[in-house]
Amino acid sequence: SAVISQKPSRDICQRGTSLTIQCQVDSQVTMMFWYRQQPGQSLTLIATANQGSEATYESGFVIDKFPISRPNLTFSTLTVSNMSPEDSSIYLCSVANTGELFFGEGSRLTVL
Amino acid sequence: SQKIEQNSEALNIQEGKTATLTCNYTNYSPAYLQWYRQDPGRGPVFLLLIRENEKEKRKERLKVTFDTTLKQSLFHITASQPADSATYLCALDLPPGGKLIFGQGTELSVKP
Repeated sequence: SAVISQKPSRDICQRGTSLTIQCQVDSQVTMMFWYRQQPGQSLTLIATANQGSEATYESGFVIDKFPISRPNLTFSTLTVSNMSPEDSSIYLCSVANTGELFFGEGSRLTVL
Repeated sequence: SQKIEQNSEALNIQEGKTATLTCNYTNYSPAYLQWYRQDPGRGPVFLLLIRENEKEKRKERLKVTFDTTLKQSLFHITASQPADSATYLCALDLPPGGKLIFGQGTELSVKP
């Protein structure tokens, strides 16, 4: 298993600002993923955070809006840039281990 | 594109009964399918994984079936308890591997 810590757990942000979410894992992992869960919705994969190279983004998500860093095998950040109210969501970091995913508790962002 | 559908309606059952949740998918042949539990304000927690060559898998009061011909998985909780109340998500793997796509989830409520 893996223990994942995310910061911040929640924040209220102003339109047009950017916020960086941190994800720390208690062990080295190859694959880290960032998901978004909008109110009342299921999880949507934003990107795969690759150590030592650029993140791989899913359709509908771009690096300029959601830049990702992965400086080592235990840490990643997701930035939500130039936020609008539509970005209000829970952002979840996850890691893969033998097929199953382990999730952090999520970062709940509200954009006013 | 791949599509996953779960029972859209919330499921309300009496304590002690068996809860059965459905997950249907189209346009895809996953190597494995997973079920997660999500409580309000928390990240999803892994429950079970079933591979394409497995018909059924059990874990304590949980049972999952996987019919690749019907493109359907059924998730059963026997002898249900109020503590089983949560949202249950099914997820399929996406190539090249490690990534999952999630259904919208089914909210289960077990009444005492």
